Amino acid sequence: GAVVSQHPSRVICKSGTSVKIECRSLDFQATTMFWYRQFPKQSLMLMATSNEGSKATYEQGVEKDKFLINHASLTLSTLTVTSAHPEDSSFYICSATSGGIQETQYFGPGTRLLVL
Amino acid sequence: RKEVEQDPGPFNVPEGATVAFNCTYSNSASQSFFWYRQDCRKEPKLLMSVYSSGNEDGRFTAQLNRASQYISLLIRDSKLSDSATYLCVVTHTGRRALTFGSGTRLQVQP
Repeated sequence: GAVVSQHPSRVICKSGTSVKIECRSLDFQATTMFWYRQFPKQSLMLMATSNEGSKATYEQGVEKDKFLINHASLTLSTLTVTSAHPEDSSFYICSATSGGIQETQYFGPGTRLLVL
Repeated sequence: RKEVEQDPGPFNVPEGATVAFNCTYSNSASQSFFWYRQDCRKEPKLLMSVYSSGNEDGRFTAQLNRASQYISLLIRDSKLSDSATYLCVVTHTGRRALTFGSGTRLQVQP
């Protein structure tokens, strides 16, 4: 199946710093990438939908100025958590799709963020 | 009310047992249905799609009842490796992102 990578796999940072997470589709062109967040013992919640070359669409309650998304190419989307705080500590997972009728979403392995 | 509801479990079953999970969804515009499996601290992985006619993949059988807005997953002859959290997932017309339930945890014991 298609492969999606994320980097870094885990990051620990101090409160107030910014963290960039990369999501790459390795063997297909991803017209759309999705960013999800999962807190412990909770479900994955969609944060935003990212389409190549256009602005991301954010879900209600997700601050677009805090979670900056860039989808500059068909194989790379980045999520930057700006001025991270302890409550941003979570598991961030991206998924990518090439479109099509079935439009299977392929998930990255996730990034575990811990803000101290 | 959550859009996709699941019993969180855990379901503790012995090896070889048959176990069933249920899921209900509230949005009648839901279009596609899936079961995903998530291991601890890992990303979710697609287990199977769910079709109205019901479908089977080896030891796994999925059923969909659109009238009742209800989805089920049956696992026969449980293996230790089946221990994981099972996520009920739906998509809606006009929305490509996945909507996840909070998952049902299964622990298969020797």
